Amino acid sequence: AQRVTQPEKLLSVFKGAPVELKCNYSYSGSPELFWYVQYSRQRLQLLLRHISRESIKGFTADLNKGETSFHLKKPFAQEEDSAMYYCALRRDDKIIFGKGTRLHILP
Amino acid sequence: EPEVTQTPSHQVTQMGQEVILRCVPISNHLYFYWYRQILGQKVEFLVSFYNNEISEKSEIFDDQFSVERPDGSNFTLKIRSTKLEDSAMYFCASSPDLPSSGANVLTFGAGSRLTVL
Repeated sequence: AQRVTQPEKLLSVFKGAPVELKCNYSYSGSPELFWYVQYSRQRLQLLLRHISRESIKGFTADLNKGETSFHLKKPFAQEEDSAMYYCALRRDDKIIFGKGTRLHILP
Repeated sequence: EPEVTQTPSHQVTQMGQEVILRCVPISNHLYFYWYRQILGQKVEFLVSFYNNEISEKSEIFDDQFSVERPDGSNFTLKIRSTKLEDSAMYFCASSPDLPSSGANVLTFGAGSRLTVL
């Protein structure tokens, strides 16, 4: 079955510390992966996608096909990074989401 | 920046009642989606819609659910006879292009919270 797994429900990190949000996927074929973010009281929005190979708000994510992972990383956490983060996979005509990880940045 | 607009933001209904959730996708987008999120759970795909017909639907999207685009701008989700377990946040999303083109970036609405009593 094609799915996305985010093993951590909650991740608490001190401001200035590195962040890594884990995502593993299972997919037969070439996956197209995304990270979506939902800040408090805001709508779900795209953070980044692996095909763009870009850094958004200091976040990066590298697709590792050997480990079937797409972990989201940031070297120095900021308080405004506190949000719900969803790893997602495109399957046919739709995006399927992981269960999400709540990132809490401690002052 | 263009937005996906959803109404109502919150609806409370009695079990067994019909509910219609409305969405106005971004005007030049071609693909439309409904997702739902039960409190504390993940965002789940319900249905995708293209060229005035359903292109894919999930197991959740049973005969109680229907979608339509009645006037070329609104995209509605109807639940015919609501159940307690339909209580959730329902998100509409739209996308500009074919999913396989690489331009499949979903723009989400703010959601409609449905509470079934």
